[in-house]
Amino acid sequence: QVQLQESGPGLVKPSETLSLTCTVSGGSISSYYWSWIRQPPGKGLEWIGYIYYSGSTNYNPSLKSRVTISVDTSKNQFSLKLSSVTAADTAVYYCARFIVVKGHNWFDPWGQGTLVTVSS
Amino acid sequence: QSVLTQPPSVSGAPGQRVTISCTGSSSNIGAGYDVHWYQQLPGTAPKLLIYGNSNRPSGVPDRFSGSKSGTSASLAITGLQAEDEADYYCQSYDSSLSHWVFGGGTKLTVL
Repeated sequence: QVQLQESGPGLVKPSETLSLTCTVSGGSISSYYWSWIRQPPGKGLEWIGYIYYSGSTNYNPSLKSRVTISVDTSKNQFSLKLSSVTAADTAVYYCARFIVVKGHNWFDPWGQGTLVTVSS
Repeated sequence: QSVLTQPPSVSGAPGQRVTISCTGSSSNIGAGYDVHWYQQLPGTAPKLLIYGNSNRPSGVPDRFSGSKSGTSASLAITGLQAEDEADYYCQSYDSSLSHWVFGGGTKLTVL
């Protein structure tokens, strides 16, 4: 079955760019949508954005000016970049497959998540 | 403050039935968008529990069920077990915000 694994630095300095990669195994990244979701410590979930394997994207309007999601089908990976980070961006970042069925959408499966702390 | 409102906590004794509500509005659940539910066990990633309001993925016990009516949805868990102790999140789409939204989460405690 499809499995996802996030990777990237666990510590980012304020004002710098957070960069994470999600590696998909057990299946092809093609023909699916892929998403990033984050969860600040002790808080709820926030959708960040998604990318289709072809490269089309859709971002949360509240983060749109700072977010870039890209895909590398040759490596079966997709990536997240979040610029100008502050302490408020400290969170566990999850990647997930974004299921699209007749306009109804959900997230399955999820990666295990990676904690990114923004601190100097 | 989440667009989808869930009670912060619910509890029940082993074997009992509990329900978790997810209240939205005319721009999300009330607009006809599906509700999906996730279970997050302590220290782990969320896992899909219910999709399309009431459908269980393969492997999810039939003790878990979902329903939707009007601007709200509910997750019911029957025959509570200690292993059900987790955080539960509802998720839908909001047309006013133009993005996918989650409820604030409900912590289930098995007494």
